[in-house]
Amino acid sequence: QSALTQPPSASGSPGQSVTISCTGTSSDVGGYHYVSWYQQHPGNAPKVIIYEVSKRPLGVPDRFSGSKFGKTASLTVSGLQAEDEADYYCTSYAGGNNLVFGGGTKLTVL
Amino acid sequence: QDQLVQSGAELREPGASVKVSCKASRFYLTDYDITWVRQAPGQGLEWMGWLNGHNTYTHYVRKFQGRVTMTTDTTTGTAYLELRGLRSDDTATYYCAKGNIVDWYFDLWGRGTLVTVSS
Repeated sequence: QSALTQPPSASGSPGQSVTISCTGTSSDVGGYHYVSWYQQHPGNAPKVIIYEVSKRPLGVPDRFSGSKFGKTASLTVSGLQAEDEADYYCTSYAGGNNLVFGGGTKLTVL
Repeated sequence: QDQLVQSGAELREPGASVKVSCKASRFYLTDYDITWVRQAPGQGLEWMGWLNGHNTYTHYVRKFQGRVTMTTDTTTGTAYLELRGLRSDDTATYYCAKGNIVDWYFDLWGRGTLVTVSS
């Protein structure tokens, strides 16, 4: 399976909204409702912030939201805060008990 | 709180093997599925495969088939990742994570184990 396509970087000022895209194929993002997003701060393990396209685990602020249209999933961070500066990775189920990751997006809060 | 406690950093020569452990703390490993993900220095996350907590099913990414073995010790609640025939490009931090494979996301991660392959 090929990696999902994410922009290498994104940025926004505090209080603004930023959207990160994650593009796959009909065999992964477009074919299943199992898209997740992970946040990773430098030196730390990843943390799930969105699962099943748009669900938030307990404790994740509602500033984080997810959506999907066709073969592209998106993560939107509203009301940007300094602590949101991190790397973000999308994943999708790809059939046959396989998971595929995106290449990651570095979010910078200006 | 629930934790996954991973073993310490390892240094291996090319061609050697390494076995990384991941122990469940305050929950039963058999209730979940475990995945292994690695991250080379400065690079993105790479999925390696998964196994169920009962150690009855494993699935490896094709790239690692033949070189990797994932197991769990159900008596101690510990998952293991063994990687053989190490190469310099296997240098990475190896993470274990737990979840339920039916949902295809992982909600608790270990802190990672750095494996360095160098002569």
